[in-house]
Amino acid sequence: NAGVTQTPKFQVLKTGQSMTLQCAQDMNHNSMYWYRQDPGMGLRLIYYSASEGTTDKGEVPNGYNVSRLNKREFSLRLESAAPSQTSVYFCASSGHRGLDNQPQHFGDGTRLSIL
Amino acid sequence: QQQVKQSPQSLIVQKGGISIINCAYENTAFDYFPWYQQFPGKGPALLIAIRPDVSEKKEGRFTISFNKSAKQFSLHIMDSQPGDSATYFCAVIRFGNEKLTFGTGTRLTIIP
Repeated sequence: NAGVTQTPKFQVLKTGQSMTLQCAQDMNHNSMYWYRQDPGMGLRLIYYSASEGTTDKGEVPNGYNVSRLNKREFSLRLESAAPSQTSVYFCASSGHRGLDNQPQHFGDGTRLSIL
Repeated sequence: QQQVKQSPQSLIVQKGGISIINCAYENTAFDYFPWYQQFPGKGPALLIAIRPDVSEKKEGRFTISFNKSAKQFSLHIMDSQPGDSATYFCAVIRFGNEKLTFGTGTRLTIIP
């Protein structure tokens, strides 16, 4: 019962470097999400994917790209990292659209520092 | 724009006491109001949720009170225990939209 698995757990980058955060879920969920969590700001949605092959922007998409590789995997890419992207990144997944009692299940996060 | 305002930012409660966290939202079109609990080093996990056609929902020591006219909902933790020490987030969602909007979080500490 892995649920949502994120890799890596920790990463330090230099400004301008690129990196891909990986996320995989084993619950056969259609929807997947990427959030960032910053002190005093809660969790903010970066991008989401309602189903395989579709992606949409969330509240804070600038500086990020995503790929829904298949139903299980949803990756987040930073093309040119900036110190403002220092944050904890969470991936989540949820079941069918339009149904309540389908909570978003979260991974344990990737702690990313940009120097 | 801050669609969900959560208070307080931090809360210290004695063991056995009642912890109360409040949230207010602006848009009336939301369909579902979950609360998430997050322990250090872990992702948020759904704790309890309510739909707007119900004024109260209770699960064990946790209760959501919902006031549709005031656009407010709150989490009450009865008989608070040290194991309840965590960060709590309220959230709102509209069915079909699938985007959770979170409050800014409340760090709850239960002291002996």
